[in-house]
Amino acid sequence: NAGVTQTPKFQVLKTGQSMTLQCAQDMNHEYMSWYRQDPGMGLRLIHYSVGAGITDQGEVPNGYNVSRSTTEDFPLRLLSAAPSQTSVYFCASSYSHGAKNIQYFGAGTRLSVL
Amino acid sequence: EDKVVQSPLSLVVHEGDTVTLNCSYEVTNFRSLLWYKQEKKAPTFLFMLTSSGIEKKSGRLSSILDKKELFSILNITATQTGDSAIYLCAVAMNYGGSQGNLIFGKGTKLSVKP
Repeated sequence: NAGVTQTPKFQVLKTGQSMTLQCAQDMNHEYMSWYRQDPGMGLRLIHYSVGAGITDQGEVPNGYNVSRSTTEDFPLRLLSAAPSQTSVYFCASSYSHGAKNIQYFGAGTRLSVL
Repeated sequence: EDKVVQSPLSLVVHEGDTVTLNCSYEVTNFRSLLWYKQEKKAPTFLFMLTSSGIEKKSGRLSSILDKKELFSILNITATQTGDSAIYLCAVAMNYGGSQGNLIFGKGTKLSVKP
């Protein structure tokens, strides 16, 4: 059981470049989310999705787009990378309802924008 | 504004010591409180607490929630060097029909010296 898989693990971009961070889960979870983690800031929610075709903004959505065409995949797109987007990005998934809505995290993508 | 506050932000102890990590919160639509351990990579799930006064235990780790006073504590007894990590507290909220959105505290960095 792979759980939550993120690719790539590391990425270096130049300012203005675009890229997509991939996230896939094989647990048939309805809920998926993206967080960024910066030193001294904890994890902050970027975007989330409660099911295929449904997405919404979190706390820090500016500069990022998401889509959810399947239950399994939830890619995060950086449209025009900026140095302020240098961070570690985590994808997570869980069931949306019931008692066991525990979010499980992928291994993260470390992104540097020069 | 919803917030989760952890204290202390960092802590250095020696092997065998007992530590208590604190988490207080002010959120609307509280659903549950979760503790995660983060070593090098992804946060890994420790406990989920939904009811006051019920202690969760796993080996040397235990946690309890007080929904009246809006806080939780994570206790680690007989600490080992392998307990060195960042411990994250998060509150899950009912939000727009989704029972998934998490607000994280900034974490407590625990260092256990031999």
